[in-house]
Amino acid sequence: GQNIDQPTEMTATEGAIVQINCTYQTSGFNGLFWYQQHAGEAPTFLSYNVLDGLEEKGRFSSFLSRSKGYSYLLLKELQMKDSASYLCAVRRNNAGNMLTFGGGTRLMVKP
Amino acid sequence: DVKVTQSSRYLVKRTGEKVFLECVQDMDHENMFWYRQDPGLGLRLIYFSYDVKMKEKGDIPEGYSVSREKKERFSLILESASTNQTSMYLCASSSPRTDYYGYTFGSGTRLTVV
Repeated sequence: GQNIDQPTEMTATEGAIVQINCTYQTSGFNGLFWYQQHAGEAPTFLSYNVLDGLEEKGRFSSFLSRSKGYSYLLLKELQMKDSASYLCAVRRNNAGNMLTFGGGTRLMVKP
Repeated sequence: DVKVTQSSRYLVKRTGEKVFLECVQDMDHENMFWYRQDPGLGLRLIYFSYDVKMKEKGDIPEGYSVSREKKERFSLILESASTNQTSMYLCASSSPRTDYYGYTFGSGTRLTVV
């Protein structure tokens, strides 16, 4: 079976750093994705990790440890526009390579 | 700009109606997916297709069916709509050629069944 856990809500201050954690238990792991979703909009791609380690992309970084079933998304220099839901998703290694999503973390950035 | 287009942004249907949700992609993607998104439950996979005329059940297929007669189009059908199918429906597509990107999502259809 598949089980992906992430916090439901987080609050942080503009200009600060926030880390959103994701733990997973899944069979046939074939990569982990992070998506950003603003209210009422479609999710958009942020990052992809398939090997252990840190991937950095501007203000956003994502980390993966396959042995621990753990990932985090790090957001630096927070801006008000970063207020959104952040979705952790694991890709299964099967036909269609479908993604299984966690419940999402709603991040609120305050001035 | 690549696109996944869902035919309706908002829909209101009556209980018992047959409902069609259409999704079209212009990226020549092999894989297409239908998810529903509900508060606290996240995105849950209803059906997916990895080729024309192929379909596979996801985690919550009950009450739904799908059709993929052409590569670019994937339709979700609610045979007899019920109030518990009120939800946001998201279509997505992907390709093994762009593995690192995962999905491209449509803008979603918010369906209300009354």
